[in-house]
Amino acid sequence: QVQLVQSGAEVKKPGASVKVSCKASGYIFTTHGITWVRQAPGQGPEWMGWITVHNGNTKYAQNFQDRVTMTTDTSTSTAYMELRSLRPDDTAVYYCARTYGDYLFEYWGQGTLVTVSS
Amino acid sequence: IVMTQSPATLSVSPGERATLSCRADEFISTNLAWYQQKPGQAPRLLIYGASTRDTGIPARFSGSGSGTEFTLIISSLQSEDFAVYYCQQYNNWPRTFGQGTKVEIK
Repeated sequence: QVQLVQSGAEVKKPGASVKVSCKASGYIFTTHGITWVRQAPGQGPEWMGWITVHNGNTKYAQNFQDRVTMTTDTSTSTAYMELRSLRPDDTAVYYCARTYGDYLFEYWGQGTLVTVSS
Repeated sequence: IVMTQSPATLSVSPGERATLSCRADEFISTNLAWYQQKPGQAPRLLIYGASTRDTGIPARFSGSGSGTEFTLIISSLQSEDFAVYYCQQYNNWPRTFGQGTKVEIK
């Protein structure tokens, strides 16, 4: 069965960077893209961007364009999301999701809580 | 595109019908999905194309609408249906979600 397993919770100081991983199993990794979504406490989900695994093309939300990098390692079926220059309002649960086409978030990871605090 | 959901909270008794609304501030055709999220869990895809249930989603969930107005109906609420529901448009970039409707036990 399709599974996405994310890395564990992180606590970072303002200005630092975080890199979250998302290990996929149960399907051929290169056949679907990966979307990253975050959810601040008590808020709705926020789309951050999407990466096509087979060629590494990315599309980022304008809000994150200058601070985020999404990559994949096809040898380990793992996707990564790095967010730099962290601020307290980046505190959120970060999710990866297997994506049908570029728009449908079919399967989700369990989420990774990133806390930004001095 | 801004997605607006109403109401913010819906109090419903088990076995009753729940009607959730979602409005887009621009035309999105039927490029709309609905997700269910329970506390401490990731969202789960329920419906896409405004009205097509994902695999394994019970028939008591139905979606309708096109253009800018959409509805999710849960025909007879079961205990496992009490959750937060989000709509999401995929007509334009960036993909955007509504703020959610919490369906709680009355």
